[in-house]
Amino acid sequence: AQKVTQAQTEISVVEKEDVTLDCVYETRDTTYYLFWYKQPPSGELVFLIRRNSFDEQNEISGRYSWNFQKSTSSFNFTITASQVVDSAVYFCALSGAGSYQLTFGKGTKLSVIP
Amino acid sequence: DAGVIQSPRHEVTEMGQEVTLRCKPISGHNSLFWYRQTMMRGLELLIYFNNNVPIDDSGMPEDRFSAKMPNASFSTLKIQPSEPRDSAVYFCASREGLAKAFGPGTRLTVL
Repeated sequence: AQKVTQAQTEISVVEKEDVTLDCVYETRDTTYYLFWYKQPPSGELVFLIRRNSFDEQNEISGRYSWNFQKSTSSFNFTITASQVVDSAVYFCALSGAGSYQLTFGKGTKLSVIP
Repeated sequence: DAGVIQSPRHEVTEMGQEVTLRCKPISGHNSLFWYRQTMMRGLELLIYFNNNVPIDDSGMPEDRFSAKMPNASFSTLKIQPSEPRDSAVYFCASREGLAKAFGPGTRLTVL
């Protein structure tokens, strides 16, 4: 069985602060994929990143960065210099290779205060 | 690319009424998914189509729920009769490859 845990239910930061959203996963698959999605107040689910289990390189995209550590089964997401527009619920998700199932965490609600 | 299109965006109906949610996947995507999002249960997969064929409908909560995909560019999720506990946001997603693209969702309220 697969499981994704986002222990932080809600986080509030002041604009320009850095914030890290934690994601811990469980799977028996040797090959799998990890995802982050953003759900802003408007409600849509926006795909942010996909990472496969063989690629442990960290990734940076603008103010966003992702730290994948297989040894601790974690795939954490950091926003640098947060902005009000970053306020959203962020979901971490997991899928086994070749599987159509996408297991979501419960989400972390991030509020960036001006 | 217009992305996944869902209609309506909001639906308010009374208990017992039939509700039909519509989805147009991204052109060329051969997999389509319907999800339901509630505060209590988070995001749940309801049904998965591959090449217009239902592959896994184990997430469909009851016989009141049905889904069809008559062609590669259109799918419907129907609830008949609707109940207040069906109130949720229903997402359609499509995929060609590894990442699912989600539609904007339909917020359903059953009074």
